[in-house]
Amino acid sequence: SAVISQKPSRDICQRGTSLTIQCQVDSQVTMMFWYRQQPGQSLTLIATANQGSEATYESGFVIDKFPISRPNLTFSTLTVSNMSPEDSSIYLCSVASGVYEQYFGPGTRLTVT
Amino acid sequence: GEDVEQSLFLSVREGDSSVINCTYTDSSSTYLYWYKQEPGAGLQLLTYIFSNMDMKQDQRLTVLLNKKDKHLSLRIADTQTGDSAIYFCAEILSGSSNTGKLIFGQGTTLQVKP
Repeated sequence: SAVISQKPSRDICQRGTSLTIQCQVDSQVTMMFWYRQQPGQSLTLIATANQGSEATYESGFVIDKFPISRPNLTFSTLTVSNMSPEDSSIYLCSVASGVYEQYFGPGTRLTVT
Repeated sequence: GEDVEQSLFLSVREGDSSVINCTYTDSSSTYLYWYKQEPGAGLQLLTYIFSNMDMKQDQRLTVLLNKKDKHLSLRIADTQTGDSAIYFCAEILSGSSNTGKLIFGQGTTLQVKP
């Protein structure tokens, strides 16, 4: 299985600011994803981070709010822009290893005040 | 449509078996997964089963799939206090097998009493 790290592990941010979350994998992977887990809720896919091209966003998520970069096969960033308290969530990076195995990072716990 | 449902809470005594249930609505699901989330941690992939299988066993874990009823279960034998966590059922749809999109249930909180 892949070893995935995320930075920061947690943060408290002011309304209106932006936060960039980093995801690093210990091996090259084809597919990387960003999920959101709102308090007490399940996980929802935000977007697929594509290497060398624009991310593919799910319904309800837009690039202006959640810009994503994927400069290579081991690294991706997710930015949460112009934050509001409703953005308080856990943000998780995941990678597909093998055909159907998907592994998750430890998550970034974001609180917006 | 895409929908995965789980009961929200299960309490068992240490040493008993736990059975966590999940239902899904889309018959085109190809793979179904069980993830474990401990407090303050990310998701750990426990096991997964391909849709043409009925059962998969891995040490204390047994996954049963009833494709006709669209029902998936996770049995944990000899449940320990360290098994206390939230367990998520997830599916990947056949149309998403190239995109990797997982659809998650709400999660079942397993409480193990000593």
